Amino acid sequence: QSALTQPASVSGSPGQSITISCTGTSSDVGAYNHVSWYQQYPGKAPKLMIYEVNNRPSGVPDRFSGSKSGNTATLSISGLQAEDEADYYCNSYVNSNTLWVFGGGTKLTVL
Amino acid sequence: EVQLVESGGGLVQPGGSLTLSCAASGFIFSDHYIDWVRQAPGKGLEWVGRIRNKADSYSTEYAASVKGRFTLSRDDSKHSLYLQMNSLKTEDTAVYYCTRDSTIYYIDYWGQGTLVTVSS
Repeated sequence: QSALTQPASVSGSPGQSITISCTGTSSDVGAYNHVSWYQQYPGKAPKLMIYEVNNRPSGVPDRFSGSKSGNTATLSISGLQAEDEADYYCNSYVNSNTLWVFGGGTKLTVL
Repeated sequence: EVQLVESGGGLVQPGGSLTLSCAASGFIFSDHYIDWVRQAPGKGLEWVGRIRNKADSYSTEYAASVKGRFTLSRDDSKHSLYLQMNSLKTEDTAVYYCTRDSTIYYIDYWGQGTLVTVSS
């Protein structure tokens, strides 16, 4: 199972909006609405930001949103803040044996 | 508060064995599936394996890269999970995270991770 494809890096200025894409196949992203997104600061554990394509856990700012079209899922962040600078990983359910596949990660830089 | 605390990481020679532990608290451990995810230095996340709950017979699944070498087990009475790693390779070097599945489709909590270094 190949990793999902994410851009290596994206950047934006404070207050701006950015998007991070996550492209898979019809066997993973395109097959299910089971895409999640994780935020990871250097040296720290990942944190769940979005689950089931577009749901936010309690405590995650509504500046973070998710969507999906076909085989591509997208994480959107509006009103960028310095604290949003981190690595972001997407994840998709595959099947009951392979379970999950992750994206390669995107480094978000807030200029 | 949900907490997952990994231990047991360290330096091991290629071909060697190591057992990681994960101590859980703050939730009904026996209800949940638990997964391990690893991250090689400077690299992305890789799913390693899953152990289901008693209701699903503690069944397990493994990534192809570790199948036959890694074994998951759990002790619900101790709220603990174990990852037995045998025939370790240099490419197994990574931070290993113990994670909780909210549902079978996504992870909602991660431990802080434990570093395993396979090197001679």
